Amino acid sequence: AQTVTQSQPEMSVQEAETVTLSCTYDTSESDYYLFWYKQPPSRQMILVIRQEAYKQQNATENRFSVNFQKAAKSFSLKISDSQLGDAAMYFCAYTPGGSNYKLTFGKGTLLTVNP
Amino acid sequence: DTGVSQNPRHKITKRGQNVTFRCDPISEHNRLYWYRQTLGQGPEFLTYFQNEAQLEKSRLLSDRFSAERPKGSFSTLEIQRTEQGDSAMYLCASSLGAGSTEKLFFGSGTQLSVL
Repeated sequence: AQTVTQSQPEMSVQEAETVTLSCTYDTSESDYYLFWYKQPPSRQMILVIRQEAYKQQNATENRFSVNFQKAAKSFSLKISDSQLGDAAMYFCAYTPGGSNYKLTFGKGTLLTVNP
Repeated sequence: DTGVSQNPRHKITKRGQNVTFRCDPISEHNRLYWYRQTLGQGPEFLTYFQNEAQLEKSRLLSDRFSAERPKGSFSTLEIQRTEQGDSAMYLCASSLGAGSTEKLFFGSGTQLSVL
């Protein structure tokens, strides 16, 4: 069974600084997708960034980028120039390639941004 | 288009009662997912529809749970004879299944409290 582990229950960062959230996963599949979702107090899960396992290039979305290490099964999220609005729970998620998006989530990391 | 809508936002019920939640996906999205999120955990997959067909159910979905998606539009999730362990947030997500470009859009969830 696939598992996703987020070893940092909480992280904090100063506004405008950079923070990295860690995620490791376990799978025997060769084709899969990895995601970072943000869940603010409004509770709606918002997709931050996504990575296809077959792509060697790390995904980036504006201030958000990932460090995807396939051999190590590691998928960390880097947030640059942190903003107050980045404060939220961040979940790492995995789904195998195939016909549906049945996501397996980690337990989440609560990010606090200090002014 | 206002996104995925879930009602009610909160539901408080007594143990043994039946409850029903509704999810209205983004129009024209053919896939619909239900997840359950307990306190301090990431969401867990419950079930998935493609159009009106329920294609997969998690073992988490006991016989007391039933989900429907008549005519491939909105979906309902019913829990019969609720138990305190059913207390959780129930999240709905929809997508326009398109292989590697598929993207899930989540609603804000229904928070269930069983007293």
